Amino acid sequence: AQSVTQPDIHITVSEGASLELRCNYSYGATPYLFWYVQSPGQGLQLLLKYFSGDTLVQGIKGFEAEFKRSQSSFNLRKPSVHWSDAAEYFCAASTTSGTYKYIFGTGTRLKVLA
Amino acid sequence: EAQVTQNPRYLITVTGKKLTVTCSQNMNHEYMSWYRQDPGLGLRQIYYSMNVEVTDKGDVPEGYKVSRKEKRNFPLILESPSPNQTSLYFCASSLWRTSGGSYEQYFGPGTRLTVT
Repeated sequence: AQSVTQPDIHITVSEGASLELRCNYSYGATPYLFWYVQSPGQGLQLLLKYFSGDTLVQGIKGFEAEFKRSQSSFNLRKPSVHWSDAAEYFCAASTTSGTYKYIFGTGTRLKVLA
Repeated sequence: EAQVTQNPRYLITVTGKKLTVTCSQNMNHEYMSWYRQDPGLGLRQIYYSMNVEVTDKGDVPEGYKVSRKEKRNFPLILESPSPNQTSLYFCASSLWRTSGGSYEQYFGPGTRLTVT
């Protein structure tokens, strides 16, 4: 079955430290891949997306993600975390054939220590 | 302003009382979708629509109905709500790739539903 997995439920980092949030997908063909952020009490905002081409994609707020087909992964990174990055992060995938579902991972909640 | 609107934002109702949550987008998007968000489960897709009169089930469609009679509107109907449908609901829309697949979703502000 198609799925998106975020293995880390919670992550805590110190302000200024680097960040990597993991995402793995299970699909027959490479789907479109996305990262969204949800601040407390807010809706979801797109951070970045991957459709094809360059496997390192840049997004807003200094985030980037790398698509690795061999590992079925699309990990999100940021070199230096700011306190305002504390939020919940969701990886998502959209199929490009068959059923056109949009599937989210269960999310990773990021806590930033001052 | 490009946006997805949902109404109501908050709703408390009783078991069995039919309700409709409206969703409207002004971006001429083909793809629209409903999700429910529950702690620890992320967002789960309820139904989606690829265009007018074209809808399909997501991963958790039981207990819900949708219709897409106009491109801009995609209401979510709970014919007989039950307490396990208490959740935060999001509507979203996106462009549709002609060869298949939806692009990034634009989300509404959410509707918090409580069924007692």
